[in-house]
Amino acid sequence: GQNIDQPTEMTATEGAIVQINCTYQTSGFNGLFWYQQHAGEAPTFLSYNVLDGLEEKGRFSSFLSRSKGYSYLLLKELQMKDSASYLCAVLDSNYQLIWGAGTKLIIKP
Amino acid sequence: IAGITQAPTSQILAAGRRMTLRCTQDMRHNAMYWYRQDLGLGLRLIHYSNTAGTTGKGEVPDGYSVSRANTDDFPLTLASAVPSQTSVYFCASSERTGDYTFGSGTRLTVV
Repeated sequence: GQNIDQPTEMTATEGAIVQINCTYQTSGFNGLFWYQQHAGEAPTFLSYNVLDGLEEKGRFSSFLSRSKGYSYLLLKELQMKDSASYLCAVLDSNYQLIWGAGTKLIIKP
Repeated sequence: IAGITQAPTSQILAAGRRMTLRCTQDMRHNAMYWYRQDLGLGLRLIHYSNTAGTTGKGEVPDGYSVSRANTDDFPLTLASAVPSQTSVYFCASSERTGDYTFGSGTRLTVV
């Protein structure tokens, strides 16, 4: 079966750095996506990785290792507005997105 | 403002009633999707459409139907609602595979 695992909840301090991990087992791989979802709102696209390595976009970076079935989202200089759920999703061999349950990130002052 | 419009925003529905959730996009995206999101389960695909005139079943299609008469509209119908269909429903569209734009969601409660 297809499976995406990420921690249910994480807590971090404003101004700090946090890494949210995602491991996946899917039928095929055509890319990995990270989305941000604030409470009561729709998910919004953050990043896309299809090749191994680190993709940096401002305060957010995303890393992929296809051989390990592993990705992480790194958030630097945390701000209170970063409190949200972060969803990991993998595009499988049928080009369907398989979603993780999401990681709720709580930022404390 | 370009994007996806969903209606209604929320609804309380009696079990056994028929209900259509509306979804309209103005970005001319070919692909559209319906998801339900339940606490602890993440987003689950109900139905999808890769282009106008075609539809396909997702992970949890039972009890739901869709149509795609044109590029912009992708309504989701619950023929006879049951309490287990209580959820938040998101419509999404994409031009590039995986880079989705989501609507603001419909909170549906079936009682």
